[in-house]
Amino acid sequence: DQQVKQNSPSLSVQEGRISILNCDYTNSMFDYFLWYKKYPAEGPTFLISISSIKDKNEDGRFTVFLNKSAKHLSLHIVPSQPGDSAVYFCAATSPFNFGNEKLTFGTGTRLTIIP
Amino acid sequence: EAQVTQNPRYLITVTGKKLTVTCSQNMNHEYMSWYRQDPGLGLRQIYYSMNVEVTDKGDVPEGYKVSRKEKRNFPLILESPSPNQTSLYFCASSLGVGRGTFFGQGTRLTVV
Repeated sequence: DQQVKQNSPSLSVQEGRISILNCDYTNSMFDYFLWYKKYPAEGPTFLISISSIKDKNEDGRFTVFLNKSAKHLSLHIVPSQPGDSAVYFCAATSPFNFGNEKLTFGTGTRLTIIP
Repeated sequence: EAQVTQNPRYLITVTGKKLTVTCSQNMNHEYMSWYRQDPGLGLRQIYYSMNVEVTDKGDVPEGYKVSRKEKRNFPLILESPSPNQTSLYFCASSLGVGRGTFFGQGTRLTVV
């Protein structure tokens, strides 16, 4: 049962435009959400996160939006740059894991920025 | 430089031959874990450790063992590897979820 879903396996965006990556979740116990970026032959690297008490968090070109009622979050990248081409994973965590800081991951979206 | 180091990066082995994937972190993190990444499934947690000598199962622990004798090291042991353990493995360490989880570069394991 996939508790975190990224329904778009791939996305292509023109350089300079906005990239929007989407993520849906089913577990109401999730209270913290993260986005990770992964280049080939490297491990995932942390990009941005958001707590469930917020609906928006910004960090430079990256903004994450959270809609708790819809159980949906999105990552906006503006403007998109060629170096943003990577696989993006959405992840979530729950406070009820008894000390296990487990991240539940989506299946990833491969973003390609077209020069 | 803060990092999580895994070795080896690539490994091809035969069914039943015991192997160990090492993981070391230099950030003095108490929490460490192992994930595997498979197509269409994302990353799934195998085992985790909250501190030295404290380990527990994640979502997909079958066929794996771990140990945490020192804070910095968290090896993953496959006593009798099988082809369904062919996967990309990541070690991770963390000071706390809100402060970010750091991943190693990954170990691509093929069991034939």
